[in-house]
Amino acid sequence: GQQLNQSPQSMFIQEGEDVSMNCTSSSIFNTWLWYKQDPGEGPVLLIALYKAGELTSNGRLTAQFGITRKDSFLNISASIPSDVGIYFCAGQLGTGTASKLTFGTGTRLQVTL
Amino acid sequence: NAGVTQTPKFQVLKTGQSMTLQCAQDMNHEYMSWYRQDPGMGLRLIHYSVGAGITDQGEVPNGYNVSRSTTEDFPLRLLSAAPSQTSVYFCASRRLARSSYNEQFFGPGTRLTVL
Repeated sequence: GQQLNQSPQSMFIQEGEDVSMNCTSSSIFNTWLWYKQDPGEGPVLLIALYKAGELTSNGRLTAQFGITRKDSFLNISASIPSDVGIYFCAGQLGTGTASKLTFGTGTRLQVTL
Repeated sequence: NAGVTQTPKFQVLKTGQSMTLQCAQDMNHEYMSWYRQDPGMGLRLIHYSVGAGITDQGEVPNGYNVSRSTTEDFPLRLLSAAPSQTSVYFCASRRLARSSYNEQFFGPGTRLTVL
């Protein structure tokens, strides 16, 4: 089955630094989503993007829906220790009962003081 | 509102044993699904359901069965566990809508080890 390519696979950054990660696909999607998974927990939705070119923020997080509809980007500004976790992108195609989510392979973020 | 709940949280099985992973949601969501998470592989869809009595296969269905007798519950059955089924399993649910995206809520996961 199709999977989305996320990069980087892992990041070690210092507290206060900005973080960028991206997700690419060979297929187009109608919706792009970014999730965060804390250790030992299930993923939680951070940001949803619905239109090509859309730029959406949620606090220190900013995500963009690529113009080609085949990619998306997530930026975290001024990282803090609680940003630690795995970040997943997901693309959705179709609506209603026909909609399917495809998840990326994840970016593991570790923050050092 | 408990959201999506899963039991057990941890489980160790021997090869060939069977077991059922439980999942329940109290949000009256039509859509429920099971994923497995393996290192470097992200989340892969095992089975899903769009309503009571309706189930379908996802990306990696082999070795797993599901049923949906009620809106609230969506158990996942391993008929004869294999070491390749060692993984973390997540149940998820969301509303179905004709347009845009309805947020998918995940349970806390079941960590399964098959020896």
